[in-house]
Amino acid sequence: DTEVTQTPKHLVMGMTNKKSLKCEQHMGHRAMYWYKQKAKKPPELMFVYSYEKLSINESVPSRFSPECPNSSLLNLHLHALQPEDSALYLCASSQDRRGLNYGYTFGSGTRLTVV
Amino acid sequence: DAKTTQPNSMESNEEEPVHLPCNHSTISGTDYIHWYRQLPSQGPEYVIHGLTSNVNNRMASLAIAEDRKSSTLILHRATLRDAAVYYCILRDPLTGTASKLTFGTGTRLQVTL
Repeated sequence: DTEVTQTPKHLVMGMTNKKSLKCEQHMGHRAMYWYKQKAKKPPELMFVYSYEKLSINESVPSRFSPECPNSSLLNLHLHALQPEDSALYLCASSQDRRGLNYGYTFGSGTRLTVV
Repeated sequence: DAKTTQPNSMESNEEEPVHLPCNHSTISGTDYIHWYRQLPSQGPEYVIHGLTSNVNNRMASLAIAEDRKSSTLILHRATLRDAAVYYCILRDPLTGTASKLTFGTGTRLQVTL
């Protein structure tokens, strides 16, 4: 299995809703990442998990709450989002925390619309 | 991660070679040069990486200047399926406990018949 699987593919949520995005990989990768991508912009890093521990939080608002329950799963819990949070949310993994000599593997993303 | 500079867009005819340039004049001696591409409505896809020597794989070739201040991604025969945004990214060996992959604005490649 050489894929990163993200669910759901599309999500529409109201500003008072609570929802979660899920990411799964079975490649044995020990680093996992959340990126946010607005239309026609490059992906922006949000969070980095290394060996199931949060290593980097790029000053992301607390309405986004990541969780890494095990080495294969990464969740992003969403609460009280704003319309400007509408974007493509991408999950990625890499073989180790450095990811130097190997590439990152990205999922296809969850397209989130906040209404 | 150090900065890279790429042209905003390039065009190519199908079946012709494409050379996508990237400048990275502030590269450090230990930075790896990575290339990713993002097709419409998909996540980024790893293409190739290198440190000092030129590299080839099934997708592309990477030519690295001797001073490492620039590199070129070469698609040998462009197809319509190669139309994408191509990102050149420098990866430093590491600071802290985990690495960061920082995307620049990339080059949008258009391929026409």
